[in-house]
Amino acid sequence: DIVMTQSPDSLAVSLGERATINCKSSQSVLYTSNNENYLAWYQQKPGQPPKLLIYWASTRASGVPDRFSGSGSETDFTLTISSLQAEDVAVYYCQDYYSSPPVTFGQGTRLEIK
Amino acid sequence: QVQLVQSGAEVKKPGASVKVSCKTSGYTFTSYGISWVRQAPGQGLEWMGWISTYNGDTKFTQKFQGRVTLTIDTATTTAYMELTSLTSDDTAVYYCAREHLLTDYWGQGTLVTVSS
Repeated sequence: DIVMTQSPDSLAVSLGERATINCKSSQSVLYTSNNENYLAWYQQKPGQPPKLLIYWASTRASGVPDRFSGSGSETDFTLTISSLQAEDVAVYYCQDYYSSPPVTFGQGTRLEIK
Repeated sequence: QVQLVQSGAEVKKPGASVKVSCKTSGYTFTSYGISWVRQAPGQGLEWMGWISTYNGDTKFTQKFQGRVTLTIDTATTTAYMELTSLTSDDTAVYYCAREHLLTDYWGQGTLVTVSS
């Protein structure tokens, strides 16, 4: 099974500053037949279910602010929040759906305000 | 709009079973599978299994094989997850989620507490 490893485990960023979260997969999630990376990012706020932010590694889900962006390919991916807002405090998870099902989540990165 | 509404919180004794329901609406039920994901207190997301709403096929992570049963009722567009032989380690919030490669819509979660 694919193992997803996020870094850092927690992160504190000042309001208006950039936040960067990394995700590394144990094997490539790039499907060569369609050149798509089967990698998604979720945001989870306390007491709420996860919310889909990014899919295909870099496509924002409907309604997601453009300060959120995803990048990377094959095994190394990044979620960037360009200008941190107070409402972005949450735990962020990457997920591979290359062999869906099953899917595999990273362990999560807790993002806080500095 | 797409909605997945789960049944309410449960308290169970060790060794018992629990069955959680997930009522869907706002989309064609048989066009998307249903995944079940759990989250222990203060922990991350753990994928448990998946059921095809088209033909009832199921897949599970090895950890839950033999202890979890996933079913659907297409007439009521409801999915069910039953977990048996509960232990305190099964205390968690259980989520259902609509799945077609991605898990894009999630239920609100059902807290299952296992305590003697």
